[in-house]
Amino acid sequence: KNQVEQSPQSLIILEGKNCTLQCNYTVSPFSNLRWYKQDTGRGPVSLTIMTFSENTKSNGRYTATLDADTKQSSLHITASQLSDSASYICVVSGNTDKLIFGTGTRLQVFP
Amino acid sequence: GAGVSQSPRYKVAKRGQDVALRCDPISGHVSLFWYQQALGQGPEFLTYFQNEAQLDKSGLPSDRFFAERPEGSVSTLKIQRTQQEDSAVYLCATVAGRASYNEQFFGPGTRLTVL
Repeated sequence: KNQVEQSPQSLIILEGKNCTLQCNYTVSPFSNLRWYKQDTGRGPVSLTIMTFSENTKSNGRYTATLDADTKQSSLHITASQLSDSASYICVVSGNTDKLIFGTGTRLQVFP
Repeated sequence: GAGVSQSPRYKVAKRGQDVALRCDPISGHVSLFWYQQALGQGPEFLTYFQNEAQLDKSGLPSDRFFAERPEGSVSTLKIQRTQQEDSAVYLCATVAGRASYNEQFFGPGTRLTVL
């Protein structure tokens, strides 16, 4: 069964600190992997999209990595801000138009 | 409009009531998806349209769920005889081209609470 698993389930950090979120997937064949940010009460917003041949992609303070051999990805957030408090969802696309979502990591940034 | 809009934003229904949730896509976006998101979970696929054609409805949990997009633009997700387990946020997302390669733009969702 195609699955996307994320860890940790939740994370609390202090403002200004860095953090790394993990994603493991078993989706095959693999097309691309995305990270989304979902603020409370809003729809997910795309942060990065990486294909098989890409192993890192940045969007401001967000840097995603992808190891297609081990089927692992990480999202690193640098110098966290209060506005980074949200759920971060890892999403994998196979050879169909249907996306497979992880359950998300809930990040809380405190001052 | 600038983005995907959904209405209503919140809906409270009594068990057994029928509800209709609306999605207005970004103009020109061909593909439209409906997802169900339970509290603390990631979105789960319900159904998918390409223009007016419903290409995949394998995620609809029961025959009480029905979706349509008659003119290839606005879509409606209808739930008949709502049950408490239908309580969730229903998200709509649209894509300019092939969903597997292009970014999905999500609406804010409709939070459905069934009492």
